[in-house]
Amino acid sequence: RKEVEQDPGPFNVPEGATVAFNCTYSNSASQSFFWYRQDCRKEPKLLMSVYSSGNEDGRFTAQLNRASQYISLLIRDSKLSDSATYLCVVNKKYGNKLVFGAGTILRVKS
Amino acid sequence: DVKVTQSSRYLVKRTGEKVFLECVQDMDHENMFWYRQDPGLGLRLIYFSYDVKMKEKGDIPEGYSVSREKKERFSLILESASTNQTSMYLCASSPIAGERVDEQFFGPGTRLTVL
Repeated sequence: RKEVEQDPGPFNVPEGATVAFNCTYSNSASQSFFWYRQDCRKEPKLLMSVYSSGNEDGRFTAQLNRASQYISLLIRDSKLSDSATYLCVVNKKYGNKLVFGAGTILRVKS
Repeated sequence: DVKVTQSSRYLVKRTGEKVFLECVQDMDHENMFWYRQDPGLGLRLIYFSYDVKMKEKGDIPEGYSVSREKKERFSLILESASTNQTSMYLCASSPIAGERVDEQFFGPGTRLTVL
């Protein structure tokens, strides 16, 4: 079983749609959770951190369910510029190492 | 802005060659990482370093070595390149953040092709 699992997609949605991505992780001792965004042929960049019960940043909402070891990312009012691969990221049990999911591809179309 | 630079964007080498990938960060970060990214597998950690001259193996260290002689520079070495090392190589850095894991900042990547 992979340490971090994501639906690879692609999710093809029209502009203005709401879309949600899910991610599960296997290490119950994980303490830090992130969503990174990676544009085509570019490096990953932090989209948002997910601490405690989740947080919101503009059109983006991240939720964490520790009991089910599940993280979600909700994007409201999708824009063409949201098209990218979204990586679910979890820290290893000890230290500053991260485990990256393989990513979910989002394509927003006009 | 944090800046992580990598020596090459694209590199083509032949099987058996020794390959050096260089990474430099300008934010005085203690931690530096080397990943490879392959379709369907995501980013996998090869090696990381939490201080000068310190290194630890990641999940896939076989066939690789690293060097960190200065805080800002972290080098990945392929002693004898093989075709299965064809991949995108990404360097990252992050500060020490106590018990909380901090954001990692990535370089633009080096796409290595081994023929």
